[in-house]
Amino acid sequence: EVQLVESGGVVVQPGGSLRLSCAASGFTFDDYTMHWVRQAPGKGLEWVSLIAWDGGATSYADSVDGRFTISRDNSKNSLYLQMNSLRTEDTALYYCAKDSSSSSLGEYFHHWGQGTLVTVSS
Amino acid sequence: EIVLTQSPGTLSLSPGERATLSCRASQSISSSYLAWYQQKPGQAPRLLIYGASSRATGIPDRFSGSGSGTDFTLTISRLEPEDFAVYYCQQYGRSHTFGGGTKVEIK
Repeated sequence: EVQLVESGGVVVQPGGSLRLSCAASGFTFDDYTMHWVRQAPGKGLEWVSLIAWDGGATSYADSVDGRFTISRDNSKNSLYLQMNSLRTEDTALYYCAKDSSSSSLGEYFHHWGQGTLVTVSS
Repeated sequence: EIVLTQSPGTLSLSPGERATLSCRASQSISSSYLAWYQQKPGQAPRLLIYGASSRATGIPDRFSGSGSGTDFTLTISRLEPEDFAVYYCQQYGRSHTFGGGTKVEIK
């Protein structure tokens, strides 16, 4: 059974930094592209970033480009999101999602974690 | 960026009725790279449909997807109590974007 467990969400001040983690199990982690998707409280879904199976390609939403960095450690079956220069509008539940493929462009989100809550507030 | 517009925002129906949800793209989506997800309160989204019309594993056949180009539809043939939820479309033909969602509520 595929399991994705996010962690690292806390309350942080504007301008601060945070690193989210996602522990994956139940599938061959380095066979798949992985994503971060977020959902602000009471709002819809927003794709944030993707990383190809080998970490060789990454992509970001315009709203986070230059502030967030996605990475992965295939030896640890783990996905990460380094979040810098945080803004109040980054407040959201952050989901880790497994792609359906190893494509460097990503496809659809086959499995999702339960999310970790990031609150940016002074 | 491809913008996805979902309509209606809210659909009020009774169990057993047919639900028709629309997703319109601001430009043509190549190769029907469109997916649909269901999200219930307090839960992560669940994949229903990919490639515009292919059902994901374990999804009941009352869910069907159709469309191409810029106009896509998710149809629930007969609503079951567990189908009342929010539904999102997502395009993956050019980067990734989601629609704003359609809430299917009990009338």
